[in-house]
Amino acid sequence: AQKVTQAQTEISVVEKEDVTLDCVYETRDTTYYLFWYKQPPSGELVFLIRRNSFDEQNEISGRYSWNFQKSTSSFNFTITASQVVDSAVYFCALSEVGDYKLSFGAGTTVTVRA
Amino acid sequence: KAGVTQTPRYLIKTRGQQVTLSCSPISGHRSVSWYQQTPGQGLQFLFEYFSETQRNKGNFPGRFSGRQFSNSRSEMNVSTLELGDSALYLCASSLNTPTDTQYFGPGTRLTVL
Repeated sequence: AQKVTQAQTEISVVEKEDVTLDCVYETRDTTYYLFWYKQPPSGELVFLIRRNSFDEQNEISGRYSWNFQKSTSSFNFTITASQVVDSAVYFCALSEVGDYKLSFGAGTTVTVRA
Repeated sequence: KAGVTQTPRYLIKTRGQQVTLSCSPISGHRSVSWYQQTPGQGLQFLFEYFSETQRNKGNFPGRFSGRQFSNSRSEMNVSTLELGDSALYLCASSLNTPTDTQYFGPGTRLTVL
């Protein structure tokens, strides 16, 4: 069963618009970690954020913010005032304690047009 | 601190050959994981090593194998290559476990002809 679902395949926006990426996860564990990674055209996965299951506090880091809701098993990610350099594939991932791996969603391709 | 390095960056092989990919983790990181990325299957977990021990293995045939050395460097090997093995192979390292933040290398792009 797929553990991480990113329903949005592609999102296209004009520069300075906000972009929200949806992520829904599935786990039976009470302790787990959620991540967002960015993959620009160069191919390297770049770490963005990490949250543990006990910390539902939503935060803002620069132009990035996230909304973690355990009640709906969602971990959404927002880019505020998007820029062309934000164009990339964004992956949501789940890691369960003792599982020793990351389970990735299918990714959402974000295109920011000038 | 230097990031995760992978060699080679690009490889072209023919069916039936074997290939070895190398990964050097961030200094101090002891957990190394490997992932395969293809357009059809996305990012799939291959295996994870810690202190030279494989702690988890993904759903891949036995042709895919790996190992970790005492300095935490890791290699993965694919024998009897098939066309479907063409992919981007990504290595990631973390301090002790994948629940710690995993940092990824640039990947090795393998093309099987």
